[in-house]
Amino acid sequence: EAQVTQNPRYLITVTGKKLTVTCSQNMNHEYMSWYRQDPGLGLRQIYYSMNVEVTDKGDVPEGYKVSRKEKRNFPLILESPSPNQTSLYFCASSPSPQETQYFGPGTRLLVL
Amino acid sequence: GENVEQHPSTLSVQEGDSAVIKCTYSDSASNYFPWYKQELGKRPQLIIDIRSNVGEKKDQRIAVTLNKTAKHFSLHITETQPEDSAVYFCAATSTSGTYKYIFGTGTRLKVLA
Repeated sequence: EAQVTQNPRYLITVTGKKLTVTCSQNMNHEYMSWYRQDPGLGLRQIYYSMNVEVTDKGDVPEGYKVSRKEKRNFPLILESPSPNQTSLYFCASSPSPQETQYFGPGTRLLVL
Repeated sequence: GENVEQHPSTLSVQEGDSAVIKCTYSDSASNYFPWYKQELGKRPQLIIDIRSNVGEKKDQRIAVTLNKTAKHFSLHITETQPEDSAVYFCAATSTSGTYKYIFGTGTRLKVLA
């Protein structure tokens, strides 16, 4: 089944404790993105990747890191989480930036 | 920087009526404009998209129009049904220099039975 998976789905952590949210797709897509969704602000792109080893900043990259060592995986890393990073996070993939993006199920993060 | 403004933020319509959601973009290099629907507690899903070389696209009860000169595009839903109730997001992206996706802030559509 073609899909985008994210783990974990829910996470409660404390300020400063490094965490990684994994994202994997099995559709051989080139383009992958991370978004955060906050009430009233819509979906904001954090980082995107055009291909392996090619990543670039979206609109809200501060406090986040990503890597793309394999085509299927695009982990999101929060080196020192802060409460303002409490949000709902979505990973998405598509064959190219101008084709349908397939979203993962979301990861709800609470930083205390 | 690039920006996409979306209006209205909430919209209530009677079942069977039409709904229109409007978006305005700032980056004149934008050339792809998708619309996503997000039902409560679920992930966004594409419902329709339009490219800059097309002025209008229709898929059953859903249509999108694009005015490149004015830099705005709209989603039209006709004969609305209760299952159309959701949050709708517009987005814009380009292939010129950057491949960022800029989403609007969303419209919560309620279809009243």
